[in-house]
Amino acid sequence: EPEVTQTPSHQVTQMGQEVILRCVPISNHLYFYWYRQILGQKVEFLVSFYNNEISEKSEIFDDQFSVERPDGSNFTLKIRSTKLEDSAMYFCASSEFPGTGELFFGEGSRLTVL
Amino acid sequence: KNEVEQSPQNLTAQEGEFITINCSYSVGISALHWLQQHPGGGIVSLFMLSSGKKKHGRLIATINIQEKHSSLHITASHPRDSAVYICAVVYLEVGNEKLTFGTGTRLTIIP
Repeated sequence: EPEVTQTPSHQVTQMGQEVILRCVPISNHLYFYWYRQILGQKVEFLVSFYNNEISEKSEIFDDQFSVERPDGSNFTLKIRSTKLEDSAMYFCASSEFPGTGELFFGEGSRLTVL
Repeated sequence: KNEVEQSPQNLTAQEGEFITINCSYSVGISALHWLQQHPGGGIVSLFMLSSGKKKHGRLIATINIQEKHSSLHITASHPRDSAVYICAVVYLEVGNEKLTFGTGTRLTIIP
């Protein structure tokens, strides 16, 4: 069964460092998403991406964040200068259709900022 | 602010019991998702609903659009069903595709 894969599964970094989280969506999917879940809290939307550009982003997704689809298979989330409050589980998801399409999630990347 | 409310927050039941988890939302939606989050943190999509009812194995999901309410039922519950069940909706706004999540229901099934 096709799946969304994410790397790394866990990353520990120092405050102020840049972090790149990688995702390989399902190959025929066109819509890509990043979500995050701070420990003990609910999952929150960060950004959606379609046709090589951001289609929607939340208030959380400020100038410190960026997304890219560099090579037609990977979908990356970059945090330019990490803060303690960026510590969370980050989930990538993809779907064939926006909004009303079934979503497929990756296993998540746990980011710990020290 | 549009919220997604789930109840109960925590549910412990004996193996074999019939389980119901509820979700309510405040304004019109284009879709509602039921998700399962494993103890390790991974998220699996169970159902996507825009009307009516869907069934997959021992899981049944229903939605009442007029009442803005959905339920997830598990028949013949098993310890492997222990997980956090999350309701998430796509609100009906032009161009909106993002999910708004509930806080989840932690289900524990005791053998």
